[in-house]
Amino acid sequence: AQRVTQPEKLLSVFKGAPVELKCNYSYSGSPELFWYVQYSRQRLQLLLRHISRESIKGFTADLNKGETSFHLKKPFAQEEDSAMYYCALAFAGAGSYQLTFGKGTKLSVIP
Amino acid sequence: EAQVTQNPRYLITVTGKKLTVTCSQNMNHEYMSWYRQDPGLGLRQIYYSMNVEVTDKGDVPEGYKVSRKEKRNFPLILESPSPNQTSLYFCASSRVVTVGNEQFFGPGTRLTVL
Repeated sequence: AQRVTQPEKLLSVFKGAPVELKCNYSYSGSPELFWYVQYSRQRLQLLLRHISRESIKGFTADLNKGETSFHLKKPFAQEEDSAMYYCALAFAGAGSYQLTFGKGTKLSVIP
Repeated sequence: EAQVTQNPRYLITVTGKKLTVTCSQNMNHEYMSWYRQDPGLGLRQIYYSMNVEVTDKGDVPEGYKVSRKEKRNFPLILESPSPNQTSLYFCASSRVVTVGNEQFFGPGTRLTVL
């Protein structure tokens, strides 16, 4: 069965320090992976998708199929990065398309 | 403005009293979905719809019903709510399912069942 694991419930870092939010997945097929972010009092929104290999707000994430990981990284944390981060796995079957989210990691950037 | 809307935003009800949470999107998206968000459990998919008149169960469908009679609307129905359905509910939509499609989320509905 498909599963997404985010081992840290809470991650606190100082402003300017590097950030790495961990995400591991379990899926037998070809994975589609995403990072979604939820800032305080805002809607959940897409941050990154693995297919795009892009950098958004200084964040990057690389899909490592050998380690089944999709960790989110940023070299220098900013206070405005404080938010809840969710890793998500999308998987498709015959006439179906589902998303499984991890339990989320709350990032707190200390000024 | 392109968006997903949900109503009501807050709802307090009692056990067994049927309720409906509406979800509407104005982006002509084919795919729509409902999630519940609980502390320590993250988001879990309840139901999803690939298109009009096509719905399917997610990971936690028990106690919920949905319908998709029109492309823009995807209501969530709780026929007989129970306290364990107290949660924050999100509706989401996306374009026709392709690789890497972005889900657009509504603002959430906080439901309390007494």
